[in-house]
Amino acid sequence: DSGVTQTPKHLITATGQRVTLRCSPRSGDLSVYWYQQSLDQGLQFLIQYYNGEERAKGNILERFSAQQFPDLHSELNLSSLELGDSALYFCASSVGSLGAEQYFGPGTRLTVT
Amino acid sequence: GIQVEQSPPDLILQEGANSTLRCNFSDSVNNLQWFHQNPWGQLINLFYIPSGTKQNGRLSATTVATERYSLLYISSSQTTDSGVYFCAVANSNSGYALNFGKGTSLLVTP
Repeated sequence: DSGVTQTPKHLITATGQRVTLRCSPRSGDLSVYWYQQSLDQGLQFLIQYYNGEERAKGNILERFSAQQFPDLHSELNLSSLELGDSALYFCASSVGSLGAEQYFGPGTRLTVT
Repeated sequence: GIQVEQSPPDLILQEGANSTLRCNFSDSVNNLQWFHQNPWGQLINLFYIPSGTKQNGRLSATTVATERYSLLYISSSQTTDSGVYFCAVANSNSGYALNFGKGTSLLVTP
């Protein structure tokens, strides 16, 4: 158990819908990262927050957004869902933001039908 | 971004055999991590090893930062070692976000 929690574990929804994925980092970790794992793209970085502020952006679509709240949990919002958004979404956390070890949550498996 | 190449892409071993997985990367890094993704999809931290050598039981890893590669050694493999092994690296240019290789898929047979 990494100490990073993610809910829900599984999510099935239809095209065009909007979903919210939630992540709670390890106790004491200030950085939260979101990654997407799909069969064709592999594991890729979406976005990072550090202590409530956006720190870095990767290959995140405009239909996707995220935020980190004062209690340090984070939410990833996915809207206007398409079939290609079906993937495993991971949240990771680290104590700092400058190359510290990242610990991954169990992931949320999203299926868009 | 940083390019990460892992080899071999696939590996089949008999229980008890040893193996070496390689990770080459294209830039200097502040973070290098090895993960094991089990059949349930969980990413399990194996090593945080931007440089040097570490050992944990039957697993060990070495990163030669100056030559931009890392090796993961698995000794006396067990069926529970099956899964995909990922190498991931980060530096300031990547915003310290991890860039993952495509992984090595390992199957250990009884």
